[in-house]
Amino acid sequence: DPKIIQKPKYLVAVTGSEKILICEQYLGHNAMYWYRQSAKKPLEFMFSYSYQKLMDNQTASSRFQPQSSKKNHLDLQITALKPDDSATYFCASSQLGGDTQYFGPGTRLLVL
Amino acid sequence: AQSVTQPDARVTVSEGASLQLRCKYSYSGTPYLFWYVQYPRQGLQLLLKYYSGDPVVQGVNGFEAEFSKSNSSFHLRKASVHWSDSAVYFCVLSAGTGYQNFYFGKGTSLTVIP
Repeated sequence: DPKIIQKPKYLVAVTGSEKILICEQYLGHNAMYWYRQSAKKPLEFMFSYSYQKLMDNQTASSRFQPQSSKKNHLDLQITALKPDDSATYFCASSQLGGDTQYFGPGTRLLVL
Repeated sequence: AQSVTQPDARVTVSEGASLQLRCKYSYSGTPYLFWYVQYPRQGLQLLLKYYSGDPVVQGVNGFEAEFSKSNSSFHLRKASVHWSDSAVYFCVLSAGTGYQNFYFGKGTSLTVIP
């Protein structure tokens, strides 16, 4: 059974619209992360959350907002979508005090 | 600032040949180093990790990596590759435990020719 679920697997959006990417982890971890992988750049760290609180934000744009309704959920809301937002977004989790992050399968977003 | 460099964007080897994927890191402290693999249309899977101790660490599927503090390197090796090893390999640096950011290299795309 998958331990980190990301939904949807693929997502097509129009410029200017808003989408929410879902991430749920069932590893019992208390830290969660979002990363972005685009064609032009290596995997980039976006956010880290611990116990549902934002720990670090390396995303310049406020259009990207993480949302944590439960301790094992960390969704990513993206508003006013642009074609440059097209990328694969990976969710990851770890145990605080642990050194390894475990990654979900990713959501591939295409903005037209 | 932390950074990871994987100088080879693409590597092609024949099945059964040995493999080395290069990784150099930049970090002033004691690094946590990882190799992850991404198979086509899949997420990232951990191959191995290093923090301290024996500089040669063993991972899954016959992979190993060697840490060199003097060279700031963490190269990945495999004695004999299989076609199923074709994937993208990422070298990753972390500053420590907890909610530390992961710094990724650009990845090396490995193609194994049967």
